[in-house]
Amino acid sequence: ELKVEQNPLFLSMQEGKNYTIYCNYSTTSDRLYWYRQDPGKSLESLFVLLSNGAVKQEGRLMASLDTKARLSTLHITAAVHDLSATYFCAVDIYGGSQGNLIFGKGTKLSVKP
Amino acid sequence: NAGVTQTPKFRVLKTGQSMTLLCAQDMNHEYMYWYRQDPGMGLRLIHYSVGEGTTAKGEVPDGYNVSRLKKQNFLLGLESAAPSQTSVYFCASSPPRYRNQPQHFGDGTRLSIL
Repeated sequence: ELKVEQNPLFLSMQEGKNYTIYCNYSTTSDRLYWYRQDPGKSLESLFVLLSNGAVKQEGRLMASLDTKARLSTLHITAAVHDLSATYFCAVDIYGGSQGNLIFGKGTKLSVKP
Repeated sequence: NAGVTQTPKFRVLKTGQSMTLLCAQDMNHEYMYWYRQDPGMGLRLIHYSVGEGTTAKGEVPDGYNVSRLKKQNFLLGLESAAPSQTSVYFCASSPPRYRNQPQHFGDGTRLSIL
């Protein structure tokens, strides 16, 4: 059974601190997505990681993909309150055309002053 | 720029009632998806479509039907609603996989079955 596991599921951080969210998956895949969801809102695409070794950065967030280890990380640098949200990784499980995604359960991040 | 629009945004049903959720996208995307989101479960794929007139089952299709009569619309039907179908439903669309673009999501429909 395909599994996409995120950890931690809950993360309380202080502003200014660094932390990493991990996304492990159990099947071969060459692409992975990170999304952000604010409470009661839709999902917003953050990063598209398309190959082994891919690294993308946007502001205080940096995502990477290691397809051999079946691991993606989302690193948060010098956290600020505005980053408080739930973050999902989603693994593309098909080599075909439709790009079906399997989502992790999400990491709820709370950044406190 | 509307993107993906879902209607209705909220709905309360009684067990056994039927309803249809509508998803419309204006990005000319070939692919469309229906997910459900439950607390602590992430998103799970219900059905998807790779083009007008085609649909396929996802991870949790039981109790749902879909139709894609027009490229821009994807309908999700509940024939006989059950309390276990209480959830937040998200529609998404995307171009084909080779375009390397993420799925774009609507704002969700919050559905309660009493």
